[in-house]
Amino acid sequence: DQQVKQNSPSLSVQEGRISILNCDYTNSMFDYFLWYKKYPAEGPTFLISISSIKDKNEDGRFTVFLNKSAKHLSLHIVPSQPGDSAVYFCAALWAAGNKLTFGGGTRVLVKP
Amino acid sequence: KAGVTQTPRYLIKTRGQQVTLSCSPISGHRSVSWYQQTPGQGLQFLFEYFSETQRNKGNFPGRFSGRQFSNSRSEMNVSTLELGDSALYLCASSLANRGEGYTFGSGTRLTVV
Repeated sequence: DQQVKQNSPSLSVQEGRISILNCDYTNSMFDYFLWYKKYPAEGPTFLISISSIKDKNEDGRFTVFLNKSAKHLSLHIVPSQPGDSAVYFCAALWAAGNKLTFGGGTRVLVKP
Repeated sequence: KAGVTQTPRYLIKTRGQQVTLSCSPISGHRSVSWYQQTPGQGLQFLFEYFSETQRNKGNFPGRFSGRQFSNSRSEMNVSTLELGDSALYLCASSLANRGEGYTFGSGTRLTVV
């Protein structure tokens, strides 16, 4: 039972354009959502988070949008840079626990 | 400040053996979590420790165990290794503010042959 899903396994975007990564979840008990970036053979790096009581959070080039009614969140990266090429994971925190439930990841390739 | 340190980085073990992995969290972080990453199952939660107590546990068999010491350093142990235990094992530490995210170490790559 996959509670957090990233339906697009890969995304290719031109440098300078916007990258939009999507994530869907099924469990209404999640109260925090996070995005991580991961390079091969390294641990995930925290990018940005959003509380379930908000619908938008922005940090520099990264903006996360949350649509609770649709149980959907998205990460916007603008402008995209070649160094953004990595695998991006969406993760959710359960209100009663301190464990991250991860989506399957989306591989982003930013072309110069 | 120093990040999360995991040792060793790489490990090769034989089926049936046991292994112990170590994690030193960021200074001041009292919560330490462990995750397993495999190509087939993705990133999965193993367990979380806070102040030497296991607070949360994932759906892994009893062969997977862990502990946390008074200095917040943590170890995880896998006994009777199986080929399917080959994975990248990641440790993450955090403060109490969950929204700040978790800081991950670089992981231990375990290969069971």
